[in-house]
Amino acid sequence: DIVMTQSPDSLAVSLGERATINCKSSQSVLYSSNNKNYLGWYQQKPGQPPKLLIYWASTRESGVPDRFSGSGSGTDFTLTISSLQAEDVAVYYCQQYYNIPFTFGPGTKVDIK
Amino acid sequence: EVQLLESGGGLVQPGGSLRLSCAASGFTFSTYAMSWVRQAPGKGLEWVSAICGDDGSTYYADSVKGRFTISRDNSKNTLYLQMNSLRAEDTALYYCAKSSGGSCYSVSHYWGQGTLVTVSS
Repeated sequence: DIVMTQSPDSLAVSLGERATINCKSSQSVLYSSNNKNYLGWYQQKPGQPPKLLIYWASTRESGVPDRFSGSGSGTDFTLTISSLQAEDVAVYYCQQYYNIPFTFGPGTKVDIK
Repeated sequence: EVQLLESGGGLVQPGGSLRLSCAASGFTFSTYAMSWVRQAPGKGLEWVSAICGDDGSTYYADSVKGRFTISRDNSKNTLYLQMNSLRAEDTALYYCAKSSGGSCYSVSHYWGQGTLVTVSS
């Protein structure tokens, strides 16, 4: 199984400041035949289901604010919130959909400082 | 508008069975891969199972293989998860999710609100 790790476990950022979450996979999730990274990012607020933010590692889902961006390739990925807003308080998960089972990272909790 | 409505959760004794359902609307159900993902209380997300929209293939996490069966009724736009030999560690909120395409190897685009399964004596 591909093991997904995230860092940090939690972070507190001031409103308007940048938040950066890292995700690492135990093996590459880059499919060479189409040059796509099978990596998604989800946001989960308390009492709500996860919401897709980013897929193919860097493609923003329709309707997601452009302060959210994804980057990285192979085994190392980053989710960046360029200017944290109060409504961004949530737990963020990365997931690989390259190999069955489609494993999730343990999550990173983002709070306001 | 895509809607996914899970049902069928509840309290069951260890060793018992439950069948979860996910009623889908707002898209051509038969052409999309669908998944079940669960979340134990206060814990992270765990992928459980998927059924592809392109060829009907099914896949399972090792933790549920041989006990759970995913299926779909395209005439009823409904996804199912038959859960047998339930264990305490199966206690979780079970989410139904729609993939972005027919292939199982695609991201989960939309999620339902979940149905709670509690396994306890």
